[in-house]
Order: sequence, then structure tokens, then C-alpha cells
Amino acid sequence: AQSVTQLGSHVSVSEGALVLLRCNYSSSVPPYLFWYVQYPNQGLQLLLKYTTGATLVKGINGFEAEFKKSETSFHLTKPSAHMSDAAEYFCAVSGTGANSKLTFGKGITLSVRP
Amino acid sequence: KAGVTQTPRYLIKTRGQQVTLSCSPISGHRSVSWYQQTPGQGLQFLFEYFSETQRNKGNFPGRFSGRQFSNSRSEMNVSTLELGDSALYLCASSLDSYTGELFFGEGSRLTVL
Repeated sequence: AQSVTQLGSHVSVSEGALVLLRCNYSSSVPPYLFWYVQYPNQGLQLLLKYTTGATLVKGINGFEAEFKKSETSFHLTKPSAHMSDAAEYFCAVSGTGANSKLTFGKGITLSVRP
Repeated sequence: KAGVTQTPRYLIKTRGQQVTLSCSPISGHRSVSWYQQTPGQGLQFLFEYFSETQRNKGNFPGRFSGRQFSNSRSEMNVSTLELGDSALYLCASSLDSYTGELFFGEGSRLTVL
């Protein structure tokens, strides 16, 4: 079974500062890894995904994440935070194949201070 | 292209009642998944339907059920509602091959009194 761990429930950064949201995964098979974002009163939106190939994945809104198999990590970063980045961020993992389901972490709320 | 549409957006029920939620996936998407989101438990997988067949199921009691129609639209039903069923229910659709790239609706917020 696959699972993800997102340490902490809340991260606060200043506008313009580096954003780092941590995610560690557990998987018995090579995983597919994802970051989703949820703005208030909305559904989730895919930020980026890792399936195979390049371990540094670039997503929307300037976010990127690096798959590190040795550390079983898939941390999300953005060099410079913007006020509009304030939202809840979810890391997710799935296996491959038709019977795989997406398993989400608990989520991290990102606050951006002016 | 229209996104995933969920109805109703908000509803209030009392304990013991039942509720049916509806989801219209993105045109061409054959897979529909349902998730329950609560502050305490986060996002929990309910079930996934593909071509009218339940392909995967989470760890929820039998009071939670779903179905998918030939046009890929899906419904989920919760019978004998409990206070703990208050949650945001999210529907997501994807193309036939499972890549984990889900497209979510805005959810149906259920309050059970």
C-alpha cells in the first residue's frame, strides 16, 4: 500500500521568501507522485506530477518538486512566495495500473505574510 | 471544455435521512472517483467507477454507495446519515488510463444535523 506523510499542518512565509513544503512517501512499487492545491471553497487542482523520467518536475505557478528515491521524498518548492499562493497543498501517491487509487497526505496550509 | 460539475453544492440533512450527490465528469472522461474531505481525516477515498463498474473501493461502511451511468455521470448515496458524515464530498474525473491526474469538481458540502 502507498502512503504519504506531510509533516506539520501549517507553514507561514513572507511574500518573496522561499516556499518549501515537505512530503515523504512510502510505496512498495515505483510510485507516481503528485502535488495538488486547494483554494478556499474550491476543489483540488493539479500543480505537478512525477511519473517517470526527469526527477525535477516543474509545475504551474512557478512551483517545482524533486523526486529523491534515496530519501523517499517529493518536496515542493517555489523560489519566491506570492500572496496568491496562500492555499492548502496536498501531496499524493499512487501505484500504476487500473486498480491504483490516489492516496493523499493530510495537507499543509500555506500562509503568506505581506 | 466544461469542468467537473457537482450538484448540489450545499445541503443540510438530519440524522437518519439519506442523500444523493451527483457528478458530471469532463466530456470524454470515463473514470469518476469520489473523496470525502473532513478537517480531522483529510481526504479519504470512497470509490472509483470506470465504464459503469466499480473499480476500486475505500474503507467506508456499506451506507456509502455509488453508481455510474452509461454517459459517465456518477451519483453517490449515503443512507442513514450520521453526524460524522458532515463533510465536503469531492468528485474527480480522469481519462481511461489511470495516471493519477484527477480533475476535481468544487464539491458538495453536506451538513448533518
